[in-house]
Amino acid sequence: AQSVTQLGSHVSVSEGALVLLRCNYSSSVPPYLFWYVQYPNQGLQLLLKYTTGATLVKGINGFEAEFKKSETSFHLTKPSAHMSDAAEYFCAVNAYNQGGKLIFGQGTELSVKP
Amino acid sequence: GAGVSQSPSNKVTEKGKDVELRCDPISGHTALYWYRQSLGQGLEFLIYFQGNSAPDKSGLPSDRFSAERTGGSVSTLTIQRTQQEDSAVYLCASSFNGGNGNTIYFGEGSWLTVV
Repeated sequence: AQSVTQLGSHVSVSEGALVLLRCNYSSSVPPYLFWYVQYPNQGLQLLLKYTTGATLVKGINGFEAEFKKSETSFHLTKPSAHMSDAAEYFCAVNAYNQGGKLIFGQGTELSVKP
Repeated sequence: GAGVSQSPSNKVTEKGKDVELRCDPISGHTALYWYRQSLGQGLEFLIYFQGNSAPDKSGLPSDRFSAERTGGSVSTLTIQRTQQEDSAVYLCASSFNGGNGNTIYFGEGSWLTVV
């Protein structure tokens, strides 16, 4: 069975500081991994995804994530936080033999202080 | 439209009534998903349709919940005899083809309040 754990339901950083949102997954087969962002009162938007190939994936708005198989992790980072990054972030996993179903983590709410 | 369209955007219903939520996926997308997002909760998978295959209903919380997809396009999620714990945002999503790392695109959601 697949599962996703996001460490920290709330993360607060200062504007300009590093953003690090943690995601660990459990999957018995090679996974596809995703990060989505949800701004207040909006739907989910894809930030980035890992399917195959390069393990460091770059996404929109300056975010990137690195797939580390040995650590079963897919942490999301951004070198310098902007106020506009305040939102809820969801990590998700889809194992290739589980159809198209995405399993999501509980989400991490990011706050950015001026 | 260019994106996943859901209606209604907001629905207030009395406990015990039935509700129907509609989803119009992106044209050409064969995979369609329903998720539920409750206040303070993550995203809970409900059901997944892929082409003409039998749907994956493994996430439906009770037999009061059902969904259908007609003609491989529009889908309706039906909740019978609504309960207060059904209050949530119901998100529909679609992708070009389920799995294989294809991006799943979400609609804005239908906010259901049961009073």
